Amino acid sequence: GENVEQHPSTLSVQEGDSAVIKCTYSDSASNYFPWYKQELGKRPQLIIDIRSNVGEKKDQRIAVTLNKTAKHFSLHITETQPEDSAVYFCAASPSASKIIFGSGTRLSIRP
Amino acid sequence: SQTIHQWPATLVQPVGSPLSLECTVEGTSNPNLYWYRQAAGRGLQLLFYSVGIGQISSEVPQNLSASRPQDRQFILSSKKLLLSDSGFYLCAWSSRLAVFIDNEQFFGPGTRLTVL
Repeated sequence: GENVEQHPSTLSVQEGDSAVIKCTYSDSASNYFPWYKQELGKRPQLIIDIRSNVGEKKDQRIAVTLNKTAKHFSLHITETQPEDSAVYFCAASPSASKIIFGSGTRLSIRP
Repeated sequence: SQTIHQWPATLVQPVGSPLSLECTVEGTSNPNLYWYRQAAGRGLQLLFYSVGIGQISSEVPQNLSASRPQDRQFILSSKKLLLSDSGFYLCAWSSRLAVFIDNEQFFGPGTRLTVL
């Protein structure tokens, strides 16, 4: 069935260092891969996404890469800041109306 | 602009009692609607999604049900709550209009349900 696996479940990095979160998906029909950030007590919000016809996308300190052959995609945050502390979810969309989320990564930035 | 409402914000219910959570969307037509559950410290589990009035797809077997009586209204229900139903319930919508990012989910504020 459709599944998205996300690793690691928790990640702690020194402020200023980079953080990488990785996901794999099972449904080869997936063509849209968003990343959501959920701050404590708040709703998830989209921070960046990538479509299957693109291998990499960057937005300031955040970048996503996609390897469609291997069914892997990753989130890279450079020069991490305290406000980057949150839970991050990857997701894969196998159809226009359906989206499957990963289990989340709790990112902590150490001062 | 589009707005999504959920109520109640918090709910404490005894085991075996019924449940009704409501979600409404404003400012868009014919949205895709979703119900997710987020257990404490866990990820987002898709429970139901709907592409139109009366059209409900269920993702996991459970004692919950969903209904979409109107285009912008999505209801999550249960006849008898279980302890394992406790969690944070999020409603979300996405649009199929070209002006929106494909399947970007816009989440409601959520309902925190505690079953005792």
